[in-house]
Amino acid sequence: AQSVTQPDIHITVSEGASLELRCNYSYGATPYLFWYVQSPGQGLQLLLKYFSGDTLVQGIKGFEAEFKRSQSSFNLRKPSVHWSDAAEYFCAVGFSGSARQLTFGSGTQLTVLP
Amino acid sequence: EAGVAQSPRYKIIEKRQSVAFWCNPISGHATLYWYQQILGQGPKLLIQFQNNGVVDDSQLPKDRFSAERLKGVDSTLKIQPAKLEDSAVYLCASSIGGNYEETQYFGPGTRLLVL
Repeated sequence: AQSVTQPDIHITVSEGASLELRCNYSYGATPYLFWYVQSPGQGLQLLLKYFSGDTLVQGIKGFEAEFKRSQSSFNLRKPSVHWSDAAEYFCAVGFSGSARQLTFGSGTQLTVLP
Repeated sequence: EAGVAQSPRYKIIEKRQSVAFWCNPISGHATLYWYQQILGQGPKLLIQFQNNGVVDDSQLPKDRFSAERLKGVDSTLKIQPAKLEDSAVYLCASSIGGNYEETQYFGPGTRLLVL
């Protein structure tokens, strides 16, 4: 069955440190891949997306993600975290051939220490 | 550009009562989505509209949930009767079309607590 996994429920980093959030999917072909961020009391905001082409994708707010087909992963990275990055991050996957809907992971809560 | 509007922001009801949520998508967006986000989980699609027609409602509990999008603009999601497990945030999103590559823009959500 198709699935999306975010292995880390909660991550804490210090301001200025680098960040990597993990996302793995289970699917036989290349899916459509997204990262969203949700701040408290806010709706989800799209950070970046990947459909094809260059496997390193640049997004907003200094985030990037790399698609690795061999590992079925689409990890989100940021070289230097800011306090305002504290939020919940969701990986989402669209699987072709099924209903045209996104399947979201369970999210990773990011805490940033001063 | 105005974003996706939702109301109310919070609602507390008792089980077996009914409740309705309203969503106004971004102007010109043909596709509207309703998601349910239970605490500790990612959003789950309940229903997707393309203009005023339903594209996908496979995960909508139709015995108690209903949704409509009259005139292809605003939408209402109703729960009747509510159960304890319906406690969640209900998110509305819209996009220009219904393809994956189009960005979905989310509203702030309605937080529902069923007692």
